[in-house]
Order: sequence, then structure tokens, then C-alpha cells
Amino acid sequence: AAGVIQSPRHLIKEKRETATLKCYPIPRHDTVYWYQQGPGQDPQFLISFYEKMQSDKGSIPDRFSAQQFSDYHSELNMSSLELGDSALYFCASTLLRPGNTIYFGEGSWLTVV
Amino acid sequence: GESVGLHLPTLSVQEGDNSIINCAYSNSASDYFIWYKQESGKGPQFIIDIRSNMDKRQGQRVTVLLNKTVKHLSLQIAATQPGDSAVYFCAQKTSYDKVIFGPGTSLSVIP
Repeated sequence: AAGVIQSPRHLIKEKRETATLKCYPIPRHDTVYWYQQGPGQDPQFLISFYEKMQSDKGSIPDRFSAQQFSDYHSELNMSSLELGDSALYFCASTLLRPGNTIYFGEGSWLTVV
Repeated sequence: GESVGLHLPTLSVQEGDNSIINCAYSNSASDYFIWYKQESGKGPQFIIDIRSNMDKRQGQRVTVLLNKTVKHLSLQIAATQPGDSAVYFCAQKTSYDKVIFGPGTSLSVIP
């Protein structure tokens, strides 16, 4: 079965640079979530989209933005990168119905040097 | 505020023994409680969930127990295998909301 696809899997950027992460949800899923997981931490919710509209916002820095496109894929844009942005970024998707499971991708490792 | 937390940060069990991972939560409004397994360098993998109107649900070698009176959730893994070694997160959500994770428990299976 198709899973949530994230790219790139690994990314190294310098401070103050910009990074873009991509997420391709499971086909027919209408909702995408972005999470950030620091070393040894639990995943923290950043932002979500339902039917291409932002549906919820968590602890996402102002330097970050995201959107969901007409084909339901989503991109997380991170600017003015800081060392503390180094983390594993997960995308998850679901078909927004009560009880439906949220499935996670394998994540994108961002290292800021 | 809402939160999900775990009693034990690490757990070591002998292969073949049963494992029990515990979790406390504070948001009584959640409709679903979920257990995820995360192996090193991988994304959280859904294991099992339980709806708030249930107190027990069984899967393959796993059982989740929900005690709403004391706001406690547990994951039982029967006949623990080396492949079960991972970090386990309990999480909660309402029907149309995001998943909120609690701190993970690292399960180490001793061969």
C-alpha cells in the first residue's frame, strides 16, 4: 500500500539559508499534518491542512510557512534557518473522518550547520 | 492545557516476556488514544488505537487498556521480540483534530 512520501530524506543547510520539504500524502487523503521532532523529543505539531486550506496551527515559527497544493501534496518552507531548527520533520496524512488513522512518513532529516 | 505523559522513560524486558508501557493523560475531551512505535530514524508507526468509549482493545500481540477514571492508558505487548525494540509514544486526538504526542518510552528487548 502507498505510504506518505517525504523528500528529501536528508538535507544539510547553513545558518540563515532556506529549506523546503515536500510531502506527498497517501492517495485520497485530504488532510496533511507537519510535525517537528528534536533529538530525544516527542514530535511537536507544527501545522495542518484540510482540503488545501490551513486547518490548525501549532508551535510553528514565523520563519516557517507551509501550503497544500491542488494535488494535495504539501511543502514546508523554512527560512533564516537556525541551528535549533535541526530536527526530523514528519508529514502525516489522513482522510478526515472520525476514527481514521493518521499515517506518518519516514521524515526528513534537516541539519543546520 | 492538554498533555500526554509517560510514567517510564525506559523499559528493558527479556525476549519472550510481556511488556507493559504506561501513559497518563490530562485531556478528557479526547476521542481516541493511540499508540505509535518509532524505530530509529523512522517515522511513527501506528500500532493500535482505542476509542474513548472503550476500555480494552486487542490487536496482534498487543492490547491497549484505557482507564478513564484515572486517565491512564497502557500498551501490553505479549511475547516481546527483538523487533519490538523501539520508542513507543502514546498519543491522543479528538475526532477531527491532530495527534498530540506524549514523551516516548524506549523499549529494549534483551535476547
